[in-house]
Amino acid sequence: DAMVIQNPRYQVTQFGKPVTLSCSQTLNHNVMYWYQQKSSQAPKLLFHYYDKDFNNEADTPDNFQSRRPNTSFCFLDIRSPGLGDAAMYLCATSKESLVGFIPSSYEQYFGPGTRLTVT
Amino acid sequence: DQQVKQNSPSLSVQEGRISILNCDYTNSMFDYFLWYKKYPAEGPTFLISISSIKDKNEDGRFTVFLNKSAKHLSLHIVPSQPGDSAVYFCAASQLTSGTYKYIFGTGTRLKVLA
Repeated sequence: DAMVIQNPRYQVTQFGKPVTLSCSQTLNHNVMYWYQQKSSQAPKLLFHYYDKDFNNEADTPDNFQSRRPNTSFCFLDIRSPGLGDAAMYLCATSKESLVGFIPSSYEQYFGPGTRLTVT
Repeated sequence: DQQVKQNSPSLSVQEGRISILNCDYTNSMFDYFLWYKKYPAEGPTFLISISSIKDKNEDGRFTVFLNKSAKHLSLHIVPSQPGDSAVYFCAASQLTSGTYKYIFGTGTRLKVLA
C-alpha cells in the first residue's frame, strides 16, 4: 500500500544533542510537510517542500532544519533540542498541481508521527 | 492567534445518534476546509472536505456544513458508530506563495457510547 512512513516512532534524545527524524513516502507526492504537535494543541506547520523548493514558516525556530534529498524522503534536523521541543512530529504529503489556479487535490496524507522525548 | 478554533475538546454521543462537531475560523481568505480523523498512535486521516464556494458536502454518514457569514463549519455524523470514536481535527487552507498551507484546530475527542 502506498503510504507515509516515519522513523523512528519514538525517539529519546538528550538536551542539546542533535537529532534527525525521517519521513519517506511511496505516494510520489510533490509536497511534503513537517508539523509539530504538542499535547492538546493543534498541529503546527514548521516548513514544507514544494518539489525542491523549501518554505519555512516565519515562526519556526532556527534550531529546526529540513532536508529533502529526493521526492521520497524528507528529514527534520533539530540541531540543539531543548525541553520545549518534546512533541509529536508529523510528516505529511500532498499532490498539488494548479490548473487554471484550481488545485488538483487539497488533502494531506499523514504518517503516524514520531514522538520525541528530550531528557 | 488561533485562526481555526474547535471550542469543544470532547463530545460523547450515544450509538445511533447524531454527532455534531463544530469549528470556527477567523480568516475570510481561507478557501477550503477539511476534517481529519485521528486514532491513537496513528497520523490524522482525511475524512471530508468542502470548498468555500459551497455550503454543504456529503459523503455517506458524514456531512460538512459551511456558513461563511458566520465563519463556522460543522461535521455531522449520522448515525454515530463506536468506531467513530477518535479525535477530529478541523483544518483550513489558503493558497500562499504558490502552494496550500493548512491551519489546524486543536481537535475534538469524540466518544461514541455503545
